[in-house]
Amino acid sequence: QKEVEQNSGPLSVPEGAIASLNCTYSDRGSQSFFWYRQYSGKSPELIMSIYSNGDKEDGRFTAQLNKASQYVSLLIRDSQPSDSATYLCAVFRGTSYGKLTFGQGTILTVHP
Amino acid sequence: DAGVTQSPTHLIKTRGQHVTLRCSPISGHKSVSWYQQVLGQGPQFIFQYYEKEERGRGNFPDRFSARQFPNYSSELNVNALLLGDSALYLCASSIGQISYNEQFFGPGTRLTVL
Repeated sequence: QKEVEQNSGPLSVPEGAIASLNCTYSDRGSQSFFWYRQYSGKSPELIMSIYSNGDKEDGRFTAQLNKASQYVSLLIRDSQPSDSATYLCAVFRGTSYGKLTFGQGTILTVHP
Repeated sequence: DAGVTQSPTHLIKTRGQHVTLRCSPISGHKSVSWYQQVLGQGPQFIFQYYEKEERGRGNFPDRFSARQFPNYSSELNVNALLLGDSALYLCASSIGQISYNEQFFGPGTRLTVL
C-alpha cells in the first residue's frame, strides 16, 4: 500500500464546474496535510494547508479532512482553464524532521 | 520578498560526473529540504537541514549529500551520476524544523544525465 494515494486521473471538467480531487494516506500519525498545484514544467505551489478535521475554505478552494477515514480532499469551485495543472497531495507526519510524503498527483484539465 | 531561489536552472552532465545544486531559502526561514521529482511522480524526500544540521534523510544512496551554511543557504551534491539521477531537484524552505511545516518550493533545477 502506498503511503499517499490520489485518485487516478486525468480528471477533466467543464469550465465553471466543481473539480473534486481525493487523497488517502496510510499513516494514522499524520498531522498536517497540504495541496500543491504544479503547472507543466514548473515547481509545486502551495495552495492549501489543513490540520484539523473538517473543511477549510480559501476563495474557490475548499480542503476537507477526515482523519478517522484517513482521507483528504480538495474541491475547486467555478473551475477555470487556468486551474488545469497537476495537483499533489502531501502529508506530514510530525516526527522529528520535516519530511513531506507526496502522492503521485492528479492531472486536472478544465475545458472551455 | 524574494521566494526560494535555486541555481542553476538546467544542467546537463554525463554519467560518472559530480554535480552541485544550490538553494537560498526565503528570508527568515531556517530549514531547507531537498526533493527529487521524476517525470510523472510526486517529489521524493532526500534531506532536511535545520540550523546547519542534517535532521532527516530519505531513501537515497550515499552518493547524495548536502550541507547548510550559516546564512541558511544549502547545497546538494550528487557524485558518480547515473542516468536514473535525471530529474527535477527541488529545494523547499520552511520557517522551522517542525511547526506546521508549510514548505515553499523553489523553481527547481532540471538535471539531465547523458
